[in-house]
Amino acid sequence: QTVVTQEPSFSVSPGGTVTLTCALTSGSVSSNNYPSWYQQTPGQAPHTLIYNTDTRSSGVPDRFSGSILGNKAALTITGAQADDESDYYCVLYIGNGASMFGGGTRLTVL
Amino acid sequence: QVQLQESGPGLVKPSQTLSLTCTVSGGSISTGGYYWSWIRQHPGKGLEWIGYIYYSGSTYYNPSLKSRLTISVDASENQFSLKLSSVTAADTAVYYCARKYSPKWYFDLWGRGTLVTVSS
Repeated sequence: QTVVTQEPSFSVSPGGTVTLTCALTSGSVSSNNYPSWYQQTPGQAPHTLIYNTDTRSSGVPDRFSGSILGNKAALTITGAQADDESDYYCVLYIGNGASMFGGGTRLTVL
Repeated sequence: QVQLQESGPGLVKPSQTLSLTCTVSGGSISTGGYYWSWIRQHPGKGLEWIGYIYYSGSTYYNPSLKSRLTISVDASENQFSLKLSSVTAADTAVYYCARKYSPKWYFDLWGRGTLVTVSS
């Protein structure tokens, strides 16, 4: 069974750069998986950050960027700010109309 | 501006059917290119895709829920619905409706979510 994996947690210093990744247990992630990324703060609905691998959603600051790094999808935050402290989820299209969420990464900014 | 709003009982008894509706406002559910989706989040856990439906009625379900799941659409009411049968405490979660843009396979719009607790 295909599983989408993310780092459970990560920390970054204010102003620092962090890269979160999203992998498939069954193989490599490519643009054909249409990676997308979502930010969620406690008690709130997720907010769309990145879609189609590297396209920022409307209003998303350019310190957020998406890419394919090796065999994984990646979300990079450059110049991290305190209010970037959130949970981050990736979603991959795995074919036959099905999507799968990663387990999420809890990012701490300290 | 299109908005989504979930509605339904916040408490469901074990073995019964969980029923939720998502009302689409500010736009038509019959607009092509979008799948109307359900996603849930167990308390303190990650997000889980449940399934989605196209306005024509085509559905895609998470295989792990498929045997208990029905998603339907009512274009005249601009709503889509979720029915999950034979619920247990493991179905306690915040349920979100969302819109998925099919050409790029991402969720571009989310409802606020509604907590459903399964308990006797």
